[in-house]
Amino acid sequence: EVELVESGGGLVKPGGSLRLSCAASGFTFSYFSINWLRQAPGKGLEWVASISSSSAYMYYADSVKGRFTISRDNGLNSVSLQMQSLRAEDTAVYYCARGMAGINYVFDYWGQGTPVSVSS
Amino acid sequence: DIQMTQSPSTLSASVGDRITITCRASQTINNWLAWYQQKPGMAPKLLIYKASTLENGVPSRFSGSGSGTEFTLTITNLQPDDFATYYCQQFYAFSYTFGQGTKLEI
Repeated sequence: EVELVESGGGLVKPGGSLRLSCAASGFTFSYFSINWLRQAPGKGLEWVASISSSSAYMYYADSVKGRFTISRDNGLNSVSLQMQSLRAEDTAVYYCARGMAGINYVFDYWGQGTPVSVSS
Repeated sequence: DIQMTQSPSTLSASVGDRITITCRASQTINNWLAWYQQKPGMAPKLLIYKASTLENGVPSRFSGSGSGTEFTLTITNLQPDDFATYYCQQFYAFSYTFGQGTKLEI
């Protein structure tokens, strides 16, 4: 069974940093791209970042470019999102999601999410 | 960025009804559209991709159609489990934007 489990969320002050992790199981991790998406309280969904299966390509939403860094370790079946210079508008539940085979930006499996709150 | 607009924002229906949700893209996206279902406190679930292809395990009462800029999600014979929020998403171009959601309520 495919499973994605996020961790690392919490409360952080504006300007601070946080590192989210996503642990994957139940599929051949190195074959799939992995994405981070987020959902602000009471709001819709926003794609945040993507990393290709071999880490050759990383892409970011304009809203986080230069502040967030996505990385992966295929040996550990995990993906991380390093978030720096956090702002109040980064407050959201952060989900990791698998890109569908052959269609990287359709998200066929999601984790349960980890909440991030940026507040003084 | 491509803007995705769903209508209606809220839809009231009853068990057994047939409903349709519309999603419009600000420019053509061919058939590069997906639909997701989200229940409160839970992650979204993929229902349909490429506008009309049903994801494995999704009941056949769900269907999708459309191409270009206008798309629909139809649910026939509504079941209690279907009351949720539905999102469309384009995967034609960066930054893979979502509609604002349609809340389907009793």
